[in-house]
Amino acid sequence: GQNIDQPTEMTATEGAIVQINCTYQTSGFNGLFWYQQHAGEAPTFLSYNVLDGLEEKGRFSSFLSRSKGYSYLLLKELQMKDSASYLCAVASGNTPLVFGKGTRLSVIA
Amino acid sequence: DVKVTQSSRYLVKRTGEKVFLECVQDMDHENMFWYRQDPGLGLRLIYFSYDVKMKEKGDIPEGYSVSREKKERFSLILESASTNQTSMYLCASNLGVNYGYTFGSGTRLTVV
Repeated sequence: GQNIDQPTEMTATEGAIVQINCTYQTSGFNGLFWYQQHAGEAPTFLSYNVLDGLEEKGRFSSFLSRSKGYSYLLLKELQMKDSASYLCAVASGNTPLVFGKGTRLSVIA
Repeated sequence: DVKVTQSSRYLVKRTGEKVFLECVQDMDHENMFWYRQDPGLGLRLIYFSYDVKMKEKGDIPEGYSVSREKKERFSLILESASTNQTSMYLCASNLGVNYGYTFGSGTRLTVV
C-alpha cells in the first residue's frame, strides 16, 4: 500500500515564505504532484517532480528527494489568495494517483 | 484548455433514490476517475476507467457503480442513496498513467 503524510494545517503571514512538507512510502514510484484547492473548488495542478531536486515556477517551488521519500512545496511572497489546501499526490506503477489528506494554509495579514 | 464538466454543482436527493452523476471531458483522455472528498479524509478513489467499457474498483466502491459507454463520458451511479454518501464528488481525467489530472468543478451531493 501507500502512505502519504502532510501537516493538516499551517498559518503564515502575508509576504512571508512557507514550506509544506510531504512524506510518502510507496513502491514503484514514478513521480509526485502538488495541487492547490481553494475552498469549494476543484484541485488545480501546481507542479510535478520526477527527478530529485528543486523545480521553480514563479513564487512556487517544489522539491523532491526520492531516496528519502520526501517532497516540499515552497511558497514565497505569500498573498492572501494563497489561502487554500495543498494536496500532495504520488504516482506509482500503473495505478491512479494517491492523494495525501491535504494541508490547509491560512495566510494572515 | 482541457475541460472536465460535471453536470451538477449542487444536488439534493432523498434516501433510497438512484442518483446519476455525469462527467464529460473534451480532450480525448484515456483515463477517467471518480473521487469523493470529505473533511479530514481527503480524496478517496471510488472507481476509475482506463478505456471505454472498462472499469476498476478504487478504494471505496461499495454502494456505487459506474458506466463508460463512450470515451468522453464517465458516469457515477449511486444505486440507493444513503446519508453517508453525502459528500463532494470530483471527476478527473488524464492522458495516461503518470500524467496529471484535470478535475471537474465537483458536485456537492446531499442525501436527506
